[in-house]
Order: sequence, then structure tokens, then C-alpha cells
Amino acid sequence: DQQVKQNSPSLSVQEGRISILNCDYTNSMFDYFLWYKKYPAEGPTFLISISSIKDKNEDGRFTVFLNKSAKHLSLHIVPSQPGDSAVYFCAASEDSGGYQKVTFGTGTKLQVIP
Amino acid sequence: GAVVSQHPSWVICKSGTSVKIECRSLDFQATTMFWYRQFPKQSLMLMATSNEGSKATYEQGVEKDKFLINHASLTLSTLTVTSAHPEDSSFYICSARVGSYNSPLHFGNGTRLTVT
Repeated sequence: DQQVKQNSPSLSVQEGRISILNCDYTNSMFDYFLWYKKYPAEGPTFLISISSIKDKNEDGRFTVFLNKSAKHLSLHIVPSQPGDSAVYFCAASEDSGGYQKVTFGTGTKLQVIP
Repeated sequence: GAVVSQHPSWVICKSGTSVKIECRSLDFQATTMFWYRQFPKQSLMLMATSNEGSKATYEQGVEKDKFLINHASLTLSTLTVTSAHPEDSSFYICSARVGSYNSPLHFGNGTRLTVT
């Protein structure tokens, strides 16, 4: 039962254009959402997060949008740079018996073409 | 920023042996650490939550006798894969949260385990 889904396994974008990565979730108890970037054989690196009480959070080139009614969030990267090429994981957090349990999506491999 | 150190980064062991992986929070104290596992081209799957001074909480389907977790101090959690088999070969990653509720997890660089 995949509670966090990233339906696009890969995405290619030209340098300078906008990259849009999408994520859907099914668990209405999720109240905090995160995006991570990951290179092979390394741990994920935190990028940006958003609380369920907000619908947008922006940090430099990265913006995360949350649509609670649709149980959908997206990460916008603009302008995209070749160094952004990596696998991006969407993650969602819920309170689980006193601690926050974080569930990850399946990842989207982004390739930014110079 | 918060640093989580994981050691070793790569280990090859023979079937039947045990392997210990260490996870340290270098510049902060972590009462709770999380152990994840990632198979090739798949998502990170939470294995267990490691609680300082108490027993770990395992996710459904994860054998607690197979994957022993010890969180002896506020800066160290260990995962021991006991009697390893080739199907245990995977990428194991630990993480910890800095701060309280609704703060991001910070991850170690992972350990690539290959069981021959």
C-alpha cells in the first residue's frame, strides 16, 4: 500500500526552464510534507518542506505547493540547472504514537539538459 | 547544519555472518533515529524507529531478531544485521530529526551492504 506516490519515474527539462515534480498521497493524517534530493549511494538531502496549514512555501529556486483537497503536492524548480539532476523524493509525515513517521514516495529522476 | 554520520559506507560480508552499522549525530542530540532501507530504483522504506534508552519500534514485516537496533546514547544508534543472507543486500540509511515536531529528517550517507 503505497501511501505516497510519484507517478513520474523520470523527467527531462532544458536548463533554464521550470521543473515540476508531482506527488500524490492517500493518508489524510499526513500533516507535514518534505522534498528530498538524492544522488546514488548517498543519503537524501533535505530541500524544502511545507506544513499542512499552508499551501505554498518558497525557498530560492524551489517552491512547494500543497493542495490538501486533492491530496497533491508539487515541487517547482526555476530556473532548472544541470546540478539539479538527481532523484527527488517526496515525503509525508504523520504523528504515530508519539513520534513522527515519515513515508517516502518512489522518487522521480530529474535530468536537466544543458 | 545538522550532520548525521554513518559507518561503514560499504561492506561486503559472507552469508551467515553479522554486520553492524553505526549512525551518529555529530552536532546534536537525537533521542530518536530512524533506519531506512532502499532497494535499487525503489523508495526508502522505514524499517524501525530507534529510541534512546528503550526498545526500537519496528515496522510491519521487519524482523526484529534479524535487524537488531541499539540506541545506547543520544548520539549513537546501531543496526546489526544478524546471520546475513544475500537477500539482505541493500542500501541502509539512518536519519535523525533536529528539533521538535515538524522539522526535517537529516540523513546519513548510507551503507551499501552486499552479502555473498
